Amino acid sequence: AQSVTQPDIHITVSEGASLELRCNYSYGATPYLFWYVQSPGQGLQLLLKYFSGDTLVQGIKGFEAEFKRSQSSFNLRKPSVHWSDAAEYFCAVGGSGTYKYIFGTGTRLKVLA
Amino acid sequence: SAVISQKPSRDICQRGTSLTIQCQVDSQVTMMFWYRQQPGQSLTLIATANQGSEATYESGFVIDKFPISRPNLTFSTLTVSNMSPEDSSIYLCSVAGLQGKEGYTFGSGTRLTVV
Repeated sequence: AQSVTQPDIHITVSEGASLELRCNYSYGATPYLFWYVQSPGQGLQLLLKYFSGDTLVQGIKGFEAEFKRSQSSFNLRKPSVHWSDAAEYFCAVGGSGTYKYIFGTGTRLKVLA
Repeated sequence: SAVISQKPSRDICQRGTSLTIQCQVDSQVTMMFWYRQQPGQSLTLIATANQGSEATYESGFVIDKFPISRPNLTFSTLTVSNMSPEDSSIYLCSVAGLQGKEGYTFGSGTRLTVV
């Protein structure tokens, strides 16, 4: 079955600390992988995407993610978190020939000053 | 990427009534997608709206409850009919990039509360 798992519902980090949000997927074909951020009261914004090539992808706002096929993971990282990064983060998976994405349940990030 | 305007941004509605959500895109797109995000949960695809044809609904969603219009390549509406408190959610419209590789662009969402 196709699925996306974000094991951490809530994460709290101090401003300036590093961040890693986990995402594991199950998908029968070559996956397209995405990370979205949703700030309070806002829609979702695409942070970064992967569909082929270099397994380390850079996104907006200083985020990066690494695709590890052997682990079926696509973890999101940021070396130094800013207070404005407090939001909910969603991982999603899709594939070639489909516009239907499967979303994880999200990780809510809290940043301590 | 496309820019999507969605309205209303929020509404509080009485049970048994209907609400129509509008989604306007600044460019022509073949497919538009409607999602629901229930409190504390992830996004669930309601339906895919194609211009000139009936919308395609996902399992668990029916046209009588969520009628969709798609009169042209830049506009779509989703109606939430005969609302109950269980319909309280964020409703999002979105468009997809090329061949699914580009991800979705989302509207800012409609936060619906049914009382």
